[in-house]
Amino acid sequence: EPEVTQTPSHQVTQMGQEVILRCVPISNHLYFYWYRQILGQKVEFLVSFYNNEISEKSEIFDDQFSVERPDGSNFTLKIRSTKLEDSAMYFCASLQNSNQPQHFGDGTRLSIL
Amino acid sequence: GQNIDQPTEMTATEGAIVQINCTYQTSGFNGLFWYQQHAGEAPTFLSYNVLDGLEEKGRFSSFLSRSKGYSYLLLKELQMKDSASYLCAPRGGTALIFGKGTTLSVSS
Repeated sequence: EPEVTQTPSHQVTQMGQEVILRCVPISNHLYFYWYRQILGQKVEFLVSFYNNEISEKSEIFDDQFSVERPDGSNFTLKIRSTKLEDSAMYFCASLQNSNQPQHFGDGTRLSIL
Repeated sequence: GQNIDQPTEMTATEGAIVQINCTYQTSGFNGLFWYQQHAGEAPTFLSYNVLDGLEEKGRFSSFLSRSKGYSYLLLKELQMKDSASYLCAPRGGTALIFGKGTTLSVSS
């Protein structure tokens, strides 16, 4: 069964540094998402992306965040200047059309020191 | 505002049936999804409802009442591997809005 893949599985970064989290959505999917989950807390929506542009974003997704689909397969989340509170599990998800469930990748654990 | 309410924890024994309730208030509604999440892992899709009524999918069923802002997930023939968090997630627009989840512990 096709799956969403995320790299790296674990990223350790110094506070203030930029980090890029990478995702390869399922190939025929059209909608892409980033969520995060701080340890012990609920999964929170960050941003959705469709037709090469952001379709929806949450209050969490401020100016330090950006997303990009640089080619036909990758979908990236960039955090420009990381803060301690950015430490979380970041999940990428994709879906084929709006009536289908989202499929999640295994996540990237981001640790900010 | 947006609010999702589920019990924090539930316990059950192997072979039993358990019902996990969820009430929600969202601005916009485009279906309600149930996900399972084991500790340290990604959410995995279980079931979803767009219209009122019961959807059955093997050992898992989900019910929705849009007028009441209410859903439940029914797990039958519980197994030890069903010990996990169960996440109720209504969709407003294109994004899923997750509750804090219900941690289910299944004992033998």
